Formats: sequence, C-alpha cells, structure tokens
Amino acid sequence: GDSVTQTEGLVTVTEGLPVKLNCTYQTTYLTIAFFWYVQYLNEAPQVLLRSSTDNKRTEHQGFHATLHKSSSSFHLQKSSAQLSDSALYYCGVTGNTRKLIFGLGTTLQVQP
Amino acid sequence: EAAVTQSPRNKVTVTGGNVTLSCRQTNSHNYMYWYRQDTGHGLRLIHYSYGAGNLQIGDVPDGYKATRTTQEDFFLLLELASPSQTSLYFCASSPGTGAYEQYFGPGTRLTVL
Repeated sequence: GDSVTQTEGLVTVTEGLPVKLNCTYQTTYLTIAFFWYVQYLNEAPQVLLRSSTDNKRTEHQGFHATLHKSSSSFHLQKSSAQLSDSALYYCGVTGNTRKLIFGLGTTLQVQP
Repeated sequence: EAAVTQSPRNKVTVTGGNVTLSCRQTNSHNYMYWYRQDTGHGLRLIHYSYGAGNLQIGDVPDGYKATRTTQEDFFLLLELASPSQTSLYFCASSPGTGAYEQYFGPGTRLTVL
C-alpha cells in the first residue's frame, strides 16, 4: 500500500548545528504534491514546505527540501537549528485520491 | 488562508456515550477531513468528504460516522464511544482545485472514561 517513512522518531541536535529529517515514500498512484508539516506544542499542524517539481529545492523559514523522485525522497534540512525549531514534523504526499498520506512524524529537539 | 474551527475543544464522556464533534470552515473549500492523532501513530485519516452530502471512508473508520451537511460543516459522530477512541481529533479542509494543501483546525481533545 501507499506509505511514507520517517526513519527517526526523535532527533536531538544542538543549537546552531545542522539538522536533517528523513522522508521516503512509496505510492501506487500519481503523486502530485509533497509536504512537510510542522506542529508546535499544543498547536495544529501547519504547512512548512511544499513541492511538486522533481530536483527543485524549496525553502521556507530557513528549512529546505528537494524532491528526488529517482530515490522517492523528500528530506528536510536546515543548516543551523534554532531552539524555536523544536516541534513535531510530518512528511506527507498526496495525489489524485486527495488523501494526504503522512509519515509517523519526527520530533525535533533542539538543545542549548 | 483558510479558517477552520472545531467544537468543543475538550470533551469528556463515558464508555457507551454518544459524542458529536463539529468542524466548520469558512473559505468554501471542497474537501474536508477528520483525523485522529495518537502518540506512536501520527495522524490517521478517519473520514473525508468532497462536498455536501458526500462521504469517503478513510483509513481508520471503525466506530466512527461522519456527515457533511453543508459546504462549511463536517461532523464526526461516535455513537458508542469506547476508551480506545480517546484521542486528539483534527479537522482539516482543502480547496480541491489546483491546490492540495490541507489547513487544520485547532483540534478537539476527547477523553472516554
């Protein structure tokens, strides 16, 4: 079946250091859009990044991700993590079914 | 940006109780969704709809009914609530034409004793 895999449940990084959250996907339908959602404590998930174009880097709020259809990946990266980046991050893909398939999420903890 | 509201924000009921969670979106989006969020399971889709009167089955529908009465309103019904349905429930909406982002409401925390 269709799935999104986020290999890390928890990522801990020191403030100022780079961070990478992994996302790979497997779908049987035509995938149209790829997302990273961020959920801060006691808040709703909100879109952080979106992409539909293969091999094109997309950036927002200091985060960036590049869709690589050849490896079915859409990893999230930031060059310098901030304390305010601590949150739960979901990778998701959607297609002609209009269902958004989410990974299980990765909690990012940024330590001083 | 879409405005999605949910009510109630918190609800406590007993096993076997009848619960209705409400969701309203004010940007005339075509698609609306109900998710539950549980630690270790992420966001799981319960039901969704692409317009008034329409209902699509999600990935974890057992024990839940839903009804889309208008373009704006989508309800989730638990007719015989069980402790396993204790969760944080999110409603979301999506335009459905050329845009695929989902906009989430603030969530309803449901506790079934």
